[in-house]
Amino acid sequence: QSVLTQPPSVSEAPRQRVTISCSGSSSNIGNNAVNWYQQLPGKAPKLLIYYDDLLPSGVSDRFSGSKSGTSASLAISGLQSEDEADYYCAAWDDSLNGGVFGGGTKLTVL
Amino acid sequence: QVQLVQSGAEVKKPGASVKVSCKASGYTFTGYYMHWVRQAPGQGLEWMGWINPNSGGTNYAQKFQGRVTMTRDTSISTAYMELSRLRSDDTAVYYCARDPENSGSYCDYWGQGTLVTVSS
Repeated sequence: QSVLTQPPSVSEAPRQRVTISCSGSSSNIGNNAVNWYQQLPGKAPKLLIYYDDLLPSGVSDRFSGSKSGTSASLAISGLQSEDEADYYCAAWDDSLNGGVFGGGTKLTVL
Repeated sequence: QVQLVQSGAEVKKPGASVKVSCKASGYTFTGYYMHWVRQAPGQGLEWMGWINPNSGGTNYAQKFQGRVTMTRDTSISTAYMELSRLRSDDTAVYYCARDPENSGSYCDYWGQGTLVTVSS
């Protein structure tokens, strides 16, 4: 069981918008930054969003992040087939004194 | 450009140890913490710990305390992760990843991963 909770899968049609939720607690999301990673099949994770809502250089602005209390969300607009991947949320956990991940969400572009 | 290049795949027997290397280039190795994250087949990501390449200080996930050792060789800009007393459920891809703020906040560059298979 992952410390952060994500839906196992989401799906949406091309050119539409999808959101992926990530739920935690006061010791992780509630008190620390949330980060999102994209993992394409067979590849290493790639940083997508950091500090809740910041985009690294080179990441498309179709991706956006938000946080409220102990929950966070990743939104992807204008869906494209190449967005099909697994998406993971992550944060530092003060109680565990370590990093924690969500279980991952598989995005299917219909 | 920043690159993290990991050692090749390993096959180990239960009870053995494995040591995975991660060679950094394109930045000052001692300036940034290195994290280790693993992913079992078909499963999610699991944080294992970090090492401060400058001081050698470490912070391990409680789950791996006593079985994992993270070290570094600053002369060759390489970090190592050694896992002992291997079990079948340690079969996974192991990644190293750079922490740009030395705070455990996030990792901006990742190695390509090293598959460790534990099988009798």
